Amino acid sequence: GAVVSQHPSWVICKSGTSVKIECRSLDFQATTMFWYRQFPKQSLMLMATSNEGSKATYEQGVEKDKFLINHASLTLSTLTVTSAHPEDSSFYICSAKRLRGVYSNQPQHFGDGTRLSIL
Amino acid sequence: GQQVMQIPQYQHVQEGEDFTTYCNSSTTLSNIQWYKQRPGGHPVFLIQLVKSGEVKKQKRLTFQFGEAKKNSSLHITATKTTDVVTYFCAGPTDAAGNKLTFGGGTRVLVKP
Repeated sequence: GAVVSQHPSWVICKSGTSVKIECRSLDFQATTMFWYRQFPKQSLMLMATSNEGSKATYEQGVEKDKFLINHASLTLSTLTVTSAHPEDSSFYICSAKRLRGVYSNQPQHFGDGTRLSIL
Repeated sequence: GQQVMQIPQYQHVQEGEDFTTYCNSSTTLSNIQWYKQRPGGHPVFLIQLVKSGEVKKQKRLTFQFGEAKKNSSLHITATKTTDVVTYFCAGPTDAAGNKLTFGGGTRVLVKP
């Protein structure tokens, strides 16, 4: 089955640091990937939709200058949390979906997530 | 915007008992998806329902999509202590059906 790899799994860093999270689709091309954030004991909230070769689409209330998204290839999207602060500590999860061909009606495939802790 | 509500938020259940979690959308959905997430883990896809009134079973789990395609339920029988997970429903919010809105989740707590 389709696999989405997310790296790193854990990040602990000081306030003010920028952190980059990678999301890769390992065995299929993903023209669109999605980035979610999940705070403890809460649900997943969609942050942005990452489109290969174009600008990401951000959900209302998500700062695009704070959360930089780059989708440079059909298998890789990156989320950079710039100048991270303790309130940015969360579980960040990406997902990818095949949008073309016979698999386009299949659901999204989620990465394992990245736990970000800002001290 | 679209809202997806899930009840109950917490489900305390005795081992061996059955329970049901419910999902309601403010708008008609093209499909409803169910996920489970273990503590510290990531969401794992369980099933997708597409047709009005559809019922699907996976071992002890029975999933149902309402006739109006605005609600869904997950019924679990013979709960085990290993069923300590959070179940999420999710529905697409865009016309293409690609962006998901998740319900708040039902956190299952099993008493031995």
